[in-house]
Amino acid sequence: DIQLTQSPSTLSASVGDRITITCRASQRINTWLAWYRQEPGKAPNLLIYAASNLERGVPPRFSGSGSGTQFTLTISSLQPDDIATYYCQQYNSYPWTFGPGTRVDIK
Amino acid sequence: QVQLVQSGSEVQKPGASVTVSCEASGFPFSTYWFHWVRQAPGQGLEWMAIINAEGGETTYAEKFQDRLTLTRDTSTNTVYMQLSRLTSDDTAVYFCARDRVTNGLLITGDSWGQGTLVTVSS
Repeated sequence: DIQLTQSPSTLSASVGDRITITCRASQRINTWLAWYRQEPGKAPNLLIYAASNLERGVPPRFSGSGSGTQFTLTISSLQPDDIATYYCQQYNSYPWTFGPGTRVDIK
Repeated sequence: QVQLVQSGSEVQKPGASVTVSCEASGFPFSTYWFHWVRQAPGQGLEWMAIINAEGGETTYAEKFQDRLTLTRDTSTNTVYMQLSRLTSDDTAVYFCARDRVTNGLLITGDSWGQGTLVTVSS
């Protein structure tokens, strides 16, 4: 199975800050990577697909990049609504797998 | 609009089975794939399996291979997840999610059900 690691595991930043979350895959996955945001008690919400494509309806302050084994999710200007846990997911090969998550909160 | 509506919470005893449904609306059901993900209390997301709504083809994560069954009913636009031989480790919220293809590109998890809590307790 392809293992995904995320760093950092938690992140505290101020409103307006630019933040970056990294996801690393144990094998090359081309660009078959998605990013989700999940608020407590809710279903995940797709932000980015195929590593760098913004899902419709997602604010443009979110962006993704990377290919192969290293990927990043960037929020260009952190907003109070961005308090959540962020997960990466690979869908290059079965079983699809998720990273352990990065919890983001506001200082 | 696109909706995935799951069945309600369940409490089951160890050794029993549970079936969770996921009813789709607002889009042509048979042209999509659906997968299931679970989340134990306070934990991360775990991918379980996927089903093609048109032909019913399935792929399961190996850890669930022998006790998980996905089916679909195209007459009611519903996908079903049945998990058998339950243990306390199966206590989790179970989500269904839709995958779509746009311009030849697979987009996974673009819409999710609200989640179904399954509690396994004696």
